[in-house]
Amino acid sequence: QSALTQPASVSGSPGQSITISCTGTSSDVGFYNYVSWYQQHPGKAPKLMIYDVTDRPSGVSSRFSGSKSGNTASLTISGLQPEDEADYYCSSYATNNDYVFGTGTKVTVL
Amino acid sequence: QVQLVQSGAEVKKPGASVKVSCQASGYTFSNYYVHWVRQAPGQGLEYMGVMYPSAGTTFCAQKFQGRVTITWDTSTSTVYMELSSLRSDDTAVYFCAREEPRTCNFDYWGQGTLLTVS
Repeated sequence: QSALTQPASVSGSPGQSITISCTGTSSDVGFYNYVSWYQQHPGKAPKLMIYDVTDRPSGVSSRFSGSKSGNTASLTISGLQPEDEADYYCSSYATNNDYVFGTGTKVTVL
Repeated sequence: QVQLVQSGAEVKKPGASVKVSCQASGYTFSNYYVHWVRQAPGQGLEYMGVMYPSAGTTFCAQKFQGRVTITWDTSTSTVYMELSSLRSDDTAVYFCAREEPRTCNFDYWGQGTLLTVS
């Protein structure tokens, strides 16, 4: 499985909205609604932020939202805050018990 | 509360094997899957494989087939990931992560175990 494609970096000022894309294929992102997003601060384990394309786990801010169109999923962070500065990874189920992660996006709050 | 606690950092020589543990607590061990994901220094996440305790089976991603063995001990709620024939590019942080069956997402993660192959 090839990694899903994400932009290397995205930045925004506090209060702004940013969107991170995650492009896969018709065998993973395009076929399954099992896209999830993870936030990772330096030296820490990833944290689940979005699952099943659009759903938020309990405790995750409503400023985080997900969507999908065709083979591309997206994570939007609205009302950007300093604590949102982190690396973000998408993930998709990809048949036969396999999973694929995105290349990762570094979010910088200016 | 749900916790996944991993074993400590390891330093191994090329060609050796390593066995990383992940002890679960705060939930019924047999009711959830546990996956393994690794992250090389400065790199992204890479999926390795999973254990299905109720079915008694495992799956390894193609890249790791033949080198990764996933086992578990239900009596101690511990999952093990053994990686053999170590190479320098296996240097990475190895994470275990829990999945509620058939949800296809990883809701709790271990703290990570740094493996250095040198």
